[in-house]
Amino acid sequence: LAKTTQPISMDSYEGQEVNITCSHNNIATNDYITWYQQFPSQGPRFIIQGYKTKVTNEVASLFIPADRKSSTLSLPRVSLSDTAVYYCLVGPNSGYALNFGKGTSLLVTP
Amino acid sequence: DGGITQSPKYLFRKEGQNVTLSCEQNLNHDAMYWYRQDPGQGLRLIYYSQIVNDFQKGDIAEGYSVSREKKESFPLTVTSAQKNPTAFYLCASRTPGQRYYGYTFGSGTRLTVV
Repeated sequence: LAKTTQPISMDSYEGQEVNITCSHNNIATNDYITWYQQFPSQGPRFIIQGYKTKVTNEVASLFIPADRKSSTLSLPRVSLSDTAVYYCLVGPNSGYALNFGKGTSLLVTP
Repeated sequence: DGGITQSPKYLFRKEGQNVTLSCEQNLNHDAMYWYRQDPGQGLRLIYYSQIVNDFQKGDIAEGYSVSREKKESFPLTVTSAQKNPTAFYLCASRTPGQRYYGYTFGSGTRLTVV
């Protein structure tokens, strides 16, 4: 399975755009890139998923370059409630378990 | 509403006791997973099951056991052999083979040794 590397922590002010980059140099052809958000004492929840180029939904955008060796989660105009841990997962469409790692702890302040 | 139910929300275990954490899903998902989370840490895989009556060890299976007799249920037993079981336990399910590959997580069980 592809190994991922993302920053341990990030800080931002309310209203700013936040970009969290994940490196996955050994991503396989059939791997997808998925991001999750976790609040304290809760299970992670799905944010966005992509295979290549750009994906956008009501919560975030996901940018994936042509070589797919990295990806960037973009959160527009963050609020205090976006303070959470964000996980980047890379893996195939199968039942095999994915490694959540330690994620990126985002702190949003006024 | 479909989802995953974990119970109990809080559990206290005495030294030397076995305890079982419940995980039930009504999403008709084939694969189910157990993760452990320690403070400030990510999720570590304990066990997973891709189909009924089959399961595989994850990275930290020692001291834990599971069963998968029904598609909907994947209970986790924390045995007395697990020397440091105090943690937050998360159950998840997933459906391979569909466009949406995301995990659905339960709300977790916080286990404390007293």
